[in-house]
Amino acid sequence: DVQLLESGGGLAQPGGSLRLSCAASGFTFTDFAMSWVRQAPGKGLEWVSSIYDHGTVTENADSLKGRFIISRDNSKNMLYLQMNSLRTEDTALYYCVRVGNGTFDHWGRGTLVTVSS
Amino acid sequence: DVVMTQSPLSLPVTLGQPASISCRSSQSLVYSDGKTYLNWFQQRPGQSPRLLIYRVSYRDSGVPDRFSGSASGTDFTLKISRVEAEDVAVYYCMQGSHWPRWTFGQGTKVEIK
Repeated sequence: DVQLLESGGGLAQPGGSLRLSCAASGFTFTDFAMSWVRQAPGKGLEWVSSIYDHGTVTENADSLKGRFIISRDNSKNMLYLQMNSLRTEDTALYYCVRVGNGTFDHWGRGTLVTVSS
Repeated sequence: DVVMTQSPLSLPVTLGQPASISCRSSQSLVYSDGKTYLNWFQQRPGQSPRLLIYRVSYRDSGVPDRFSGSASGTDFTLKISRVEAEDVAVYYCMQGSHWPRWTFGQGTKVEIK
């Protein structure tokens, strides 16, 4: 079975940094692009960032203004999101998502990021 | 970016009755390969989103056949033929045709009357 297990969330101060991780298993990691999607408390879903299967091409939502960096380690089946210059509006549940059949076909349980002073 | 607009945002339904959710895209979702990458997700309370339907009308594995999707131009519809208690959830449409800049609709909350 496909499993995506996020970690690294927690409390951060405005202007601070956090690094999220996602451990993938149950599929050939190098065959799939991966993404991060977030959901602010009580709000809808927002695509954050994506990375192609070999990690050479990445794309971020314009709203992030270059503050987040997505990466992957195919030797470890790991996906990462480096979050810098955090703002209170970045408070959300961050989901690790597999891209399959042109859609988000598998989701993790999410890791909660809270940005507050 | 492509804007996805759902309606209604709240949908009270009676058990056993049909339900319908609409989603409109601001641009064509026909990709260069001729396929239309419009997806529907279900998010039950306290759970992660789950893929229900991809490419307009293909049900994901394990999705009951009471769920169906259709399209007319830039208008897309998710239908539940007979609502069951387990269908209480928020439903999101999402376009993938303009990937990797995926965009979601605002979500439609389905609740039992």
